[in-house]
Amino acid sequence: DAGVTQSPTHLIKTRGQQVTLRCSPKSGHDTVSWYQQALGQGPQFIFQYYEEEERQRGNFPDRFSGHQFPNYSSELNVNALLLGDSALYLCASSLKPRQGKNTEAFFGQGTRLTVV
Amino acid sequence: AQTVTQSQPEMSVQEAETVTLSCTYDTSESDYYLFWYKQPPSRQMILVIRQEAYKQQNATENRFSVNFQKAAKSFSLKISDSQLGDAAMYFCAYRSDNYGQNFVFGPGTRLSVLP
Repeated sequence: DAGVTQSPTHLIKTRGQQVTLRCSPKSGHDTVSWYQQALGQGPQFIFQYYEEEERQRGNFPDRFSGHQFPNYSSELNVNALLLGDSALYLCASSLKPRQGKNTEAFFGQGTRLTVV
Repeated sequence: AQTVTQSQPEMSVQEAETVTLSCTYDTSESDYYLFWYKQPPSRQMILVIRQEAYKQQNATENRFSVNFQKAAKSFSLKISDSQLGDAAMYFCAYRSDNYGQNFVFGPGTRLSVLP
């Protein structure tokens, strides 16, 4: 049973460019959440997708956008890259949130994005 | 908005000894979940232990246990019989029961285990 897979593992981009990161959730999961982890900090929530729609969003600008496909996989797109976007981007998969029930989340190994 | 604070940026422990990592959080909610995650150099976040806020009993998982003080909004992690493989970043995390169940992470504590 494959866990959460993210691609690519590492990426170097130039300031102003656009980047797309990909995430395949754990088998049986239908929800994907994205987090940004700057060096030496804890992860920060970007957004969450289920049923192919953005459901929750953290405090990130519109340059950050996403998509979820019918097979539950997801993409994170970042436009007009800034040096400050350099970070580890983590994907977490789970079942759709249900109040009163803790839905276990599993994390991928992340994509290390470096903006130069 | 919820916040999570970890006041110990770095900790060290001798192999086989016990260490406690501190975490405090701020919330106005009554129903939530608390977690400790381990992040080794491989970068993958690994769940160490979880606690449901409605449960008074402290969670335990083998050598790992928590001290959950709901009124004080404190959630510390105790690692007993520390092993070299416990060396990693440890993140305390809060998860609301109400708003999509997304994680709010603390800044982390780097744990070193000395042989």
